[in-house]
Parts: sequence; structure tokens; C-alpha cells
Amino acid sequence: QVQLVESGGGLVKPGGSLRLSCAASGFSFSDYFMGWIRQAPGKGLEWISYISSSGSSKYYADSVKGRFTISRDNAKKSLYLQMDSLRVDDTAVYYCAKDGPPPQYYDSSGFYDSWGQGALVTVSS
Amino acid sequence: DIVMTQSPDSLAVSLGERATINCKSSQSVLFSSNNKIFLAWYQQKPGQPPKLLFYWASTRESGVPDRFSGSGSGTDFTLTINSLQAEDVAVYYCQQHYRTPYTFGQGTKLEIK
Repeated sequence: QVQLVESGGGLVKPGGSLRLSCAASGFSFSDYFMGWIRQAPGKGLEWISYISSSGSSKYYADSVKGRFTISRDNAKKSLYLQMDSLRVDDTAVYYCAKDGPPPQYYDSSGFYDSWGQGALVTVSS
Repeated sequence: DIVMTQSPDSLAVSLGERATINCKSSQSVLFSSNNKIFLAWYQQKPGQPPKLLFYWASTRESGVPDRFSGSGSGTDFTLTINSLQAEDVAVYYCQQHYRTPYTFGQGTKLEIK
């Protein structure tokens, strides 16, 4: 079965950096787009980034563009999120998620059929 | 960006009754070239990650009970839960996966009356 396990969360000061990792198993990792979605405490879901199956295409929400970098290592079946210039409002649980099966002739679906348990990132002085 | 608006924000329904959650998109999420509606529904229970319920607006994810149904077209969508069970207490989110940035509704909290 699909398993996604995030790591790397923790407490960081404003302006600091953190790198999240997501270890994937149970599916052909290199065949799927992957995404990061976050959830601030007591709030709703915010999609923040995706990366194509090869890693050649990446997209970011405006709220993190220029500060966060998504990457993947298909040989290690791992997804990463490098977070720089962190702000207090980046405090959230960060979920990695697997793209669902794409429709015919498309390379991604944009919905997420498997999610990790999440990694808590707290930005505070 | 496509704005997703859910209604109501919270809902209390008696066990065995029907719950209806609405979701409206600020623009159509119907892709005319393949006639697919790029709308998904998720269920999130406390302390857990979201769980996919429906995609393409009405395609039920494997393992989701058939008392759950998804419907809608264009810009207006509905998640219906028939014969509400105690385990259905959760927050439900819609998401458009038509165009980046993918966006979620604010969530609807479903409780037992």
C-alpha cells in the first residue's frame, strides 16, 4: 500500500530555514507528480507546490514563491521541500501528497489520492 | 486564482439523516476537451490527514461507502452523505484541480445533532 512519511519538521526562528523530506513507498514514485499542502493550526488546507514526475516542472503558490523549493530524488523515492526565509505565518502542518491517476493523454490529475501524516513546522522567536 | 466557497461552514445532522455540503467555484472547472470536471472532495478527521472521497466531481475513491455521493457541474457542486453515521463526523473540503494554484474551499465541519 502507498505510504508517505514526512520528516524534518521542527521549531525555527523567523528568517531561518528548514528542509522537509517525504519518503515514499508502495507505488512507482517516478511515475507520479507529487505535491505539498499545508494546514495552519485550526485552519483549512492550502496547496503550496507541485513537481512533475521527472522533476523538470515545478509550480508554487504565490505565498511561498521565491522562498520555498520543491525537489525530488526518484532513485531514493523521496520528495523534498526546502524552506528559506521562514515567516511566522508559515507555521503549519506540511503534508506531502501523491497525485492521483491522470486522465488519458495527461501527465497529472491535480487531486491527491494519498497523503502523509504531516510534519509540523513552527516558526517563532 | 479560482476561489472555492463552501456552504455551510458548519452543519449538525441527526444520525441516519442526510447531510448536504455545497461548493461553488468562481469560474468553471469543466475541461471541455475531455468533458471532465476538475473537482475533488476530501474528508479530514481530527488529527488525521485529509482522505480523498471523490474526484472528477463524482468518481468515488475506492473504499468510500456508497452513502457518500458527489455531484454538480460547471461551478456548483454538492457532497451528499445519506444515512449519516457517527464516523462521518469530520471537516469536508472541496478542491479544484483545474488550474494552478489548486485551491480548496474553507471547509465544512459536520457534527452530529
